[in-house]
Amino acid sequence: ILNVEQSPQSLHVQEGDSTNFTCSFPSSNFYALHWYRWETAKSPEALFVMTLNGDEKKKGRISATLNTKEGYSYLYIKGSQPEDSATYLCAFIGTGNQFYFGTGTSLTVIP
Amino acid sequence: NAGVTQTPKFRVLKTGQSMTLLCAQDMNHEYMYWYRQDPGMGLRLIHYSVGEGTTAKGEVPDGYNVSRLKKQNFLLGLESAAPSQTSVYFCASTDGAGHQPQHFGDGTRLSIL
Repeated sequence: ILNVEQSPQSLHVQEGDSTNFTCSFPSSNFYALHWYRWETAKSPEALFVMTLNGDEKKKGRISATLNTKEGYSYLYIKGSQPEDSATYLCAFIGTGNQFYFGTGTSLTVIP
Repeated sequence: NAGVTQTPKFRVLKTGQSMTLLCAQDMNHEYMYWYRQDPGMGLRLIHYSVGEGTTAKGEVPDGYNVSRLKKQNFLLGLESAAPSQTSVYFCASTDGAGHQPQHFGDGTRLSIL
């Protein structure tokens, strides 16, 4: 069983603020890291798939970076909007083909 | 395009009863996964399959069995339901293991009394 940790557990920000969260994972046997956005009463939707150390991905106001040597990934949201309110999950995929999800960061954007 | 479909969406069972959850995907994906989601625990992998006719254990396989007789379907069985199996179950599929995103179903809420 691998330990994938996300911090903070929850976050409240004002509309327009920028914010970031962290996903920490084992630095050995790395294959890929995924970020998902999970809205209440829906199913998780993929944001990014990251595979190489130093990867940076961007989708609109959301971006992510990856450091496989030290075992962390950051997710950034620029100019948060109320529709960004959701739980953001990361998943570590090791070379054994199993997915290990973190417990998520719950983001609430206050209008 | 249906994507990943889970049936049923809700179910209440009594302790000791058996049932099967069905996951169907129409994307011709090779890999399929069953997770359970409990408060404060995130998504935990129960079993997975890397192709038709193959299955493997995940992080929390005890008390569950799976079958992948057809590529598009992945069944999760509870032979003798226990209250500890009360959870929300999610199925997911992907085309390329870790280098492709997973596509999730809407979940099955299962309560064991």
